[in-house]
Amino acid sequence: DTEVTQTPKHLVMGMTNKKSLKCEQHMGHRAMYWYKQKAKKPPELMFVYSYEKLSINESVPSRFSPECPNSSLLNLHLHALQPEDSALYLCASSQETSGSYDEQFFGPGTRLTVL
Amino acid sequence: SQQGEEDPQALSIQEGENATMNCSYKTSINNLQWYRQNSGRGLVHLILIRSNEREKHSGRLRVTLDTSKKSSSLLITASRAADTASYFCATDAFGSGNTGKLIFGQGTTLQVKP
Repeated sequence: DTEVTQTPKHLVMGMTNKKSLKCEQHMGHRAMYWYKQKAKKPPELMFVYSYEKLSINESVPSRFSPECPNSSLLNLHLHALQPEDSALYLCASSQETSGSYDEQFFGPGTRLTVL
Repeated sequence: SQQGEEDPQALSIQEGENATMNCSYKTSINNLQWYRQNSGRGLVHLILIRSNEREKHSGRLRVTLDTSKKSSSLLITASRAADTASYFCATDAFGSGNTGKLIFGQGTTLQVKP
């Protein structure tokens, strides 16, 4: 199974809502990532988890809260978002061996709209 | 921080022609990767070239890397309409301490006309 799945595909939320994005992979990858992508722009890294521990936080606002419950799952909890947070949120995973990272496998993304 | 610049920003060719995209970067790297993204969807990994490699092939794809010029090129030969997509280079910066962090270039939008 070489697939990364993301749910939901689309999400519309108000600025006072709390919602979560989910990501799952069964490739045995030990590194997982969240990216944010605005229209016609490249993906921007938000968080990296390595062996279920947060290893990189790219100065992301606290209204985004990542969680890695186990090696196959990655969540992104959303609270009090702003309209400018509307974007495509991409999850990815990669194999990590002795500190060396392979290519990343991406999910199809969640299209988030904040009203 | 912006690591990669891609050139051209947009490219339109006829089916069967070759497409060449270029990527420049600023810092030393462990490897450089190319990804494809169809409109509004996830990215698909195409090829990874390590800093000690100069050229790599995969099917109709050919990637070159010149670390002295800090640049890479992606050549797609005999293009097809299905190759229409955005193409991104991404660098795994050496200075990142092997964190897996990728920095993406701005991308090239390729349109292949049937």
